[in-house]
Amino acid sequence: DQQVKQNSPSLSVQEGRISILNCDYTNSMFDYFLWYKKYPAEGPTFLISISSIKDKNEDGRFTVFLNKSAKHLSLHIVPSQPGDSAVYFCAASSHNQGGKLIFGQGTELSVKP
Amino acid sequence: DTAVSQTPKYLVTQMGNDKSIKCEQNLGHDTMYWYKQDSKKFLKIMFSYNNKELIINETVPNRFSPKSPDKAHLNLHINSLELGDSAVYFCASSQGGDFAHIQYFGAGTRLSVL
Repeated sequence: DQQVKQNSPSLSVQEGRISILNCDYTNSMFDYFLWYKKYPAEGPTFLISISSIKDKNEDGRFTVFLNKSAKHLSLHIVPSQPGDSAVYFCAASSHNQGGKLIFGQGTELSVKP
Repeated sequence: DTAVSQTPKYLVTQMGNDKSIKCEQNLGHDTMYWYKQDSKKFLKIMFSYNNKELIINETVPNRFSPKSPDKAHLNLHINSLELGDSAVYFCASSQGGDFAHIQYFGAGTRLSVL
């Protein structure tokens, strides 16, 4: 039973354009959502997060949007750069779960020059 | 200086063998984790330790036994390896409390069971 889903296994975007990665979840107990970025042969790296009390969090070129009613979040990268090419994992957690993260299966982003 | 380091990076072994993967973090974090990434690329938590105490134990076969000699180390021992254990295993660490969800991962150990 996948509680966090990323339905697009891959996404290709032109350099300078916006990349939008999507994530859906089913568990309404989740109260923290995160995006991790992963390069080949490396571990995931924390990118940005959002608490369930907010609907938007921005950090430089990266913005995460949360729609609680739809149980949906998205990561916007603008402008996209070739160095952003990586696998992006969406993750969710509950504050009383001791750091237990539930990950989606990832979306591979390719930013073409 | 690597923050979370795992050894070995690659591990190839025969079915039925026993093997260990080591993990060390130099971030001063209280909490450490083991995750398994299977062939479908899902990252699933296996165990979590906080100050050497087991706090998360997902539905993992008893053949997997984590050991935390101190809060900077969390090793994973696997007995009687099976084909289905082939995966990439990631170690991670975090501060506790409200920052537990921001986790720092090692580069992974790719285990191949033949």
